[in-house]
Amino acid sequence: KQEVTQIPAALSVPEGENLVLNCSFTDSAIYNLQWFRQDPGKGLTSLLLIQSSQREQTSGRLNASLDKSSGRSTLYIAASQPGDSATYLCAVRKSLSNFNKFYFGSGTKLNVKP
Amino acid sequence: GAVVSQHPSWVICKSGTSVKIECRSLDFQATTMFWYRQFPKQSLMLMATSNEGSKATYEQGVEKDKFLINHASLTLSTLTVTSAHPEDSSFYICSARDQGNSPLHFGNGTRLTVT
Repeated sequence: KQEVTQIPAALSVPEGENLVLNCSFTDSAIYNLQWFRQDPGKGLTSLLLIQSSQREQTSGRLNASLDKSSGRSTLYIAASQPGDSATYLCAVRKSLSNFNKFYFGSGTKLNVKP
Repeated sequence: GAVVSQHPSWVICKSGTSVKIECRSLDFQATTMFWYRQFPKQSLMLMATSNEGSKATYEQGVEKDKFLINHASLTLSTLTVTSAHPEDSSFYICSARDQGNSPLHFGNGTRLTVT
């Protein structure tokens, strides 16, 4: 069974700092990995999707990397802003099958202090 | 981009009543939709996977007779919590994707409180 772990569980940084969020998974046979953002009491917003054949994806100040063989992904946030404060979740998908589920990590709660 | 609309955003009901939550894909056809439950400060727990026109596949430990899922069209799936009890109070989120290889898109969730 796939297990997804996110470290740290919570992170507090001053505004402007660069930071890295970590996601590890036990089964390296994945189809893709997706990073999400969740604001309190809200649903999830997709940030980046990395296919298993890719090494990284970038969107604005966000950069996600994937090392499938070691079972790790990182989300790099550059020049953090208070608006980045949220919980960040990673999820891995095992196969293309429509019935295949996503395995979610427990999330990293980020607080960016002004 | 792909938008998933979930309604209602919150609902309060009395114990023993049933509550229906709707999940709609607004600008794409979603062959498959997923229903999740999230407890405070915890990650999402997949409850069931629904395919349009067929019965939902429930995860182990999820009561199919309590959590009725209907996916009657390519743009609408519903979750009905039957005979709700206070322990059913939670945050329910649906998700969908338009193609096999596309990202997963989520609704904004429904906060259910059973009194």
